[in-house]
Amino acid sequence: EVQLVESGGGLVQPGGSLRLSCAASGFTFSSYWMSWVRQAPGKGLEWVANIKQDGSEKYYVDSVKGRFTISRDNAKNSLYLQMNSLRAEDTAVYYCAREAAAGTWYFDYWGQGTLVTVSS
Amino acid sequence: QSALTQPASVSGSPGQSITISCTGTSSDVGSYNLVSWYQQHPGKAPKLMIYEGSKRPSGVSNRFSGSKSGNTASLTISGLQAEDEADYYCCSYAGSSTQVFGGGTKLTVL
Repeated sequence: EVQLVESGGGLVQPGGSLRLSCAASGFTFSSYWMSWVRQAPGKGLEWVANIKQDGSEKYYVDSVKGRFTISRDNAKNSLYLQMNSLRAEDTAVYYCAREAAAGTWYFDYWGQGTLVTVSS
Repeated sequence: QSALTQPASVSGSPGQSITISCTGTSSDVGSYNLVSWYQQHPGKAPKLMIYEGSKRPSGVSNRFSGSKSGNTASLTISGLQAEDEADYYCCSYAGSSTQVFGGGTKLTVL
């Protein structure tokens, strides 16, 4: 059974940093593109970043470029999101999601999400 | 990277059909047959309902169908059921390995 379990969320002050993790199981993690998608309270979904199977390509939404870094450790079946210079508008539930297959650009499995709150 | 445009809300009675539109541009929806649709119940993670414009994953009811014309994709739900009440989001490939979601549509089953 495919499982994605996020962790690392919490309360952080503006300008602070946080590292999210996503533990994957039930599939060959190293064979899939992975993404982070967020959802601000009461708002819609927003794609944040993705990473290629071997980590050689990474892409970001404009609003987080230069502040967030996506990475992965295929040996640990884990996906990460390092978030620096956090702003109030980064407050959201952060989901990790698996892209179904290279070049398909849709998410077939999602984690349950982890809440990040940026507030003083 | 502008969000795709969806109606904020739609409603229908049990048994009826509804359609949710998703309007993008020639840089995303119009250029690729790579629109997906997700259903999200309150407090839950999104669930894939349609991919590549009109394909249904295994286990998704055939009451759900997708289509596209120009820069606008659509999700149609026929034979509305109470359990269909949820938020629905479209998502499109936007080039350069990026993706963009719609703002979401709240479906109310009357």
